[in-house]
Amino acid sequence: QLVLTQSPSASASLGASVKFTCTLSSGHSSYAIAWHQQQPEKGPRYLMKLNSDGSHNKGDGIPDRFSGSSSGAERYLTISSLQSEDEAGYYCQTWGTGIRVFGGGTKLTVL
Amino acid sequence: QVQLVQSGAEVKKPGASVKVSCKASGYTFTGYYMHWVRQAPGQGLEWMGRINPNSGATNSAQKFQGRVTMTRDTSISTAYMELGSLRSDDTAVYYCARDRDDSSGYFDYWGQGTLVTVSS
Repeated sequence: QLVLTQSPSASASLGASVKFTCTLSSGHSSYAIAWHQQQPEKGPRYLMKLNSDGSHNKGDGIPDRFSGSSSGAERYLTISSLQSEDEAGYYCQTWGTGIRVFGGGTKLTVL
Repeated sequence: QVQLVQSGAEVKKPGASVKVSCKASGYTFTGYYMHWVRQAPGQGLEWMGRINPNSGATNSAQKFQGRVTMTRDTSISTAYMELGSLRSDDTAVYYCARDRDDSSGYFDYWGQGTLVTVSS
């Protein structure tokens, strides 16, 4: 079964960096994922598609502060030089034939 | 520019149905799948299903099968999601989102969301 696992919460200080992890279920380590950001009281926004080799392509207007990487079944999103507007929920998402799957999301608090 | 514009908030009674629309612009409507995703208050994102606007074929998550109907009107580039037999736990924000196909199944554009409140 295709499942994505994320930690529910994270925190980091203004100006620092933070790295989120999204783990693919057993047997699905080659899958690409996407990262989406959801600021408070807003809809989700596409950040990037992230492949198993770590290559990624970002959505329109996504700053260079956002980057992605991969290792085995883990997919990462790193945000550097944290700003207050980065305080948001971050969701990973993947796909199979006829299905789409979300991770549970990680809520980031910027201290 | 790509835009997905959804219909306004709805309040429905338990047992009723709700129909949400999603009007697409800025791209070829029939060239992308349209998906529906919902988010209950304080919860995460949940995929409901999709429609192929070209053929009209649909797939839905097992949880919603028999209760969700997805349609489209290609003449006005609009997709619809109707959810029936509403219960209080269907109270959520409903989003439409597009993706290319099963080999590139990531949502690159989202609608603004439609709040559906189910209350007696």
